[in-house]
Amino acid sequence: EPEVTQTPSHQVTQMGQEVILRCVPISNHLYFYWYRQILGQKVEFLVSFYNNEISEKSEIFDDQFSVERPDGSNFTLKIRSTKLEDSAMYFCASIQDRGEQYFGPGTRLTVT
Amino acid sequence: SQQGEEDPQALSIQEGENATMNCSYKTSINNLQWYRQNSGRGLVHLILIRSNEREKHSGRLRVTLDTSKKSSSLLITASRAADTASYFCATDEKAGAQKLVFGQGTRLTINP
Repeated sequence: EPEVTQTPSHQVTQMGQEVILRCVPISNHLYFYWYRQILGQKVEFLVSFYNNEISEKSEIFDDQFSVERPDGSNFTLKIRSTKLEDSAMYFCASIQDRGEQYFGPGTRLTVT
Repeated sequence: SQQGEEDPQALSIQEGENATMNCSYKTSINNLQWYRQNSGRGLVHLILIRSNEREKHSGRLRVTLDTSKKSSSLLITASRAADTASYFCATDEKAGAQKLVFGQGTRLTINP
């Protein structure tokens, strides 16, 4: 069964460093998303991406964040200068059309 | 936004009993989805119910949706120890790029 994959599973970085989180959505899906979940809290929407552009973003998704679909398969989230409060699980998700949204296993980002 | 709030926050039952979790939301939706998350792991899609549906079944899961009350319930019958996890409802709002808005979740513990 097709699934969303994410790499790395765990990333440790120092404050101020740039990180890139990678996702491979399900191949025939058209809409892509990033969410995050701070430990013990609910899952929060960051950004949605369709037709090679951002379709919606949340207040969390400020100028430090960017997304890219550099080729036909990868979907990346970049944080330019990480802060301590960026420590969280980051989930990628994809959807074919208005239906089930499938999530990847997540990347645990730890900023020290 | 307090969309997708689950009730109760925590539920502990004996193996074999049924578990019922509730979710309330505030805006008009296209669909509502339920997810399971084992501690520190990814989100597993359980079931999607569309706004024009009232009830849906999948194995031991039964989901209801009452759009007039803006509420949904997830029933797990004949619970097993492996059902121990956090359960989240997530709404796909009518106005939006199909992003999901999650609640805080219900932490379900099944005691053997």
